[in-house]
Amino acid sequence: EVQLVETGGGLVQPGNSLKLSCATSGFTFSTAWMNWIRQTPGKRLEWLAQIEDKSNNYFISYLESVKGRFTISRDDSKSSVYLQMNNLKEEDTAIYYCTTGSFDYWGQGVMVTVSS
Amino acid sequence: DIQMTQSPSSLPASLGERVTISCRASQGLSNNLNWYQQRPDGTIKPLIYYTSNLQSGVPSRFSGSGSGTDYSLTISSLEPEDFAMYYCQQDASFPWTFGGGTKLELK
Repeated sequence: EVQLVETGGGLVQPGNSLKLSCATSGFTFSTAWMNWIRQTPGKRLEWLAQIEDKSNNYFISYLESVKGRFTISRDDSKSSVYLQMNNLKEEDTAIYYCTTGSFDYWGQGVMVTVSS
Repeated sequence: DIQMTQSPSSLPASLGERVTISCRASQGLSNNLNWYQQRPDGTIKPLIYYTSNLQSGVPSRFSGSGSGTDYSLTISSLEPEDFAMYYCQQDASFPWTFGGGTKLELK
């Protein structure tokens, strides 16, 4: 059974940082491309970042509006993907999901609240 | 960026009814259009990929069609578990973008 489990969310003050983790199982992680998506309080879904696999040199793509603040990374030995979020803003408040590259599997999501 | 416009945003319907949700892109997608269902508990389930291909385990009452900029999701006969949010998403070009969602509600 494929599983994606996000952790690391919580309440953080504006300007601070947070690192989300997504632990996976049930598929060959090392050859999978992975994404981070978020859902805003208004229910809008927004793709944030994608990381490809080793054969594609771990090529990374970002949504322009988060480039420079968010960093996606992966650890194939742990079958995990990460999202480092720096200089957080109130508009980053959302539920964050990790997905496989083709969006055929999603985690349950983790809540991030940015508020003073 | 490709803008995705879904309609309607809210759709009241009855059990057994046939419903259609539309999705219009700001430019052609070459059929690179996917559909997702979000259940009330927040779980997101992929339904259809590449316009009309059902994901594994998705009931045959779901179908997708379209081309160019206009796509649709049809549920042929609504079951209780179908009342949820539905989103379209394009993966024709970066950044991948989603429609604003359609809330399918029990009338």
